[in-house]
Amino acid sequence: GAGVSQSPRYKVAKRGQDVALRCDPISGHVSLFWYQQALGQGPEFLTYFQNEAQLDKSGLPSDRFFAERPEGSVSTLKIQRTQQEDSAVYLCASSTYNEQFFGPGTRLTVL
Amino acid sequence: GIQVEQSPPDLILQEGANSTLRCNFSDSVNNLQWFHQNPWGQLINLFYIPSGTKQNGRLSATTVATERYSLLYISSSQTTDSGVYFCAPLGSNFGNEKLTFGTGTRLTIIP
Repeated sequence: GAGVSQSPRYKVAKRGQDVALRCDPISGHVSLFWYQQALGQGPEFLTYFQNEAQLDKSGLPSDRFFAERPEGSVSTLKIQRTQQEDSAVYLCASSTYNEQFFGPGTRLTVL
Repeated sequence: GIQVEQSPPDLILQEGANSTLRCNFSDSVNNLQWFHQNPWGQLINLFYIPSGTKQNGRLSATTVATERYSLLYISSSQTTDSGVYFCAPLGSNFGNEKLTFGTGTRLTIIP
């Protein structure tokens, strides 16, 4: 079946612009996660949804980061007023019984 | 939160060689996953292994939860095994659903 998909795959933004990153989880997966991966590092947790409820947003680095999953399926990660330190790969994962499956990621470059 | 250490950080091997990658973690866990991140950045699930031993072809993994470590064995390495290997435990605290990634082992297989 289809895996986790993310769009766009690549995004270049000028400093100060807002961006929106989309994640389509595996059909039927209740849990959805966002992670941020800096160059040369392992992914780091940003936020977690169970259906439409955002249960943990402790990893969001600032109030410029906002995530939603209004219907319990597709999720959007929004970054307002992007800064250079936001440049990273943003990974989405979904799971149903603990095992998480990852999408290909969106590489964000902020100039 | 959980601390994760992976060793070695880098490993260069000739095609056909065997290798053992180690993951130490600082706290009790409900789950542990091993991933292979290929050169295109995709995280590929290798094992979901909270305890015990599993095998899948040339790869096997063992987690000894009571001693807080996991091992990934790769036998008869192939060039397609190159990439970064991550272990990621999931903590045992109720409601803690996020994976914590180590910094990875970068494996390079030389033909």
